[in-house]
Amino acid sequence: GESVGLHLPTLSVQEGDNSIINCAYSNSASDYFIWYKQESGKGPQFIIDIRSNMDKRQGQRVTVLLNKTVKHLSLQIAATQPGDSAVYFCADRPIFSGGYNKLIFGAGTRLAVHP
Amino acid sequence: DAGVIQSPRHEVTEMGQEVTLRCKPISGHNSLFWYRQTMMRGLELLIYFNNNVPIDDSGMPEDRFSAKMPNASFSTLKIQPSEPRDSAVYFCASRRGQGQDGELFFGEGSRLTVL
Repeated sequence: GESVGLHLPTLSVQEGDNSIINCAYSNSASDYFIWYKQESGKGPQFIIDIRSNMDKRQGQRVTVLLNKTVKHLSLQIAATQPGDSAVYFCADRPIFSGGYNKLIFGAGTRLAVHP
Repeated sequence: DAGVIQSPRHEVTEMGQEVTLRCKPISGHNSLFWYRQTMMRGLELLIYFNNNVPIDDSGMPEDRFSAKMPNASFSTLKIQPSEPRDSAVYFCASRRGQGQDGELFFGEGSRLTVL
């Protein structure tokens, strides 16, 4: 079956540095990818998404890169702030889900931002 | 908008008891999803509804789990009888539309502990 996994379970960065969170996915038929942030005790919150016909998309302080050749997704956070400390999940949507946005989530990476 | 509302936020029960988790999606959203989150398995999709109709319940662990959506503004996830391995955080999420990209809006979750 399909799965979405992460290379690093924990990432520690200094405040002000850039952060890069990586994600590998296994389903080459996925057409849509999304990053979520989850703070302690809260539900996941949308950060940014990207379709499979794109390789880069930018938001406010965040950039998502998609490399379909190696089935790799990354989230870049510029000038990381203490408020960015959270668990970050990538998710993909298999085409066979019929467009109902059936998202398959990865295990998550914890980002710890140190002053 | 009030967001996705889940209740109860926390529930502690004994093995064998029936548990009912409730969800009110965002008004106007016609897709609703139930996820379960554990340390071991991460975020797992249990079931999702579109226009109140269950579309895919392949993620429901076993017959002890059931979900209903009697109308567009309410859904329940029931576990009967509950077991200690059901202990997890259960999230409800909703979105507008079908076959479109876009984020899922998650509730704050219901933390279930089965003793």
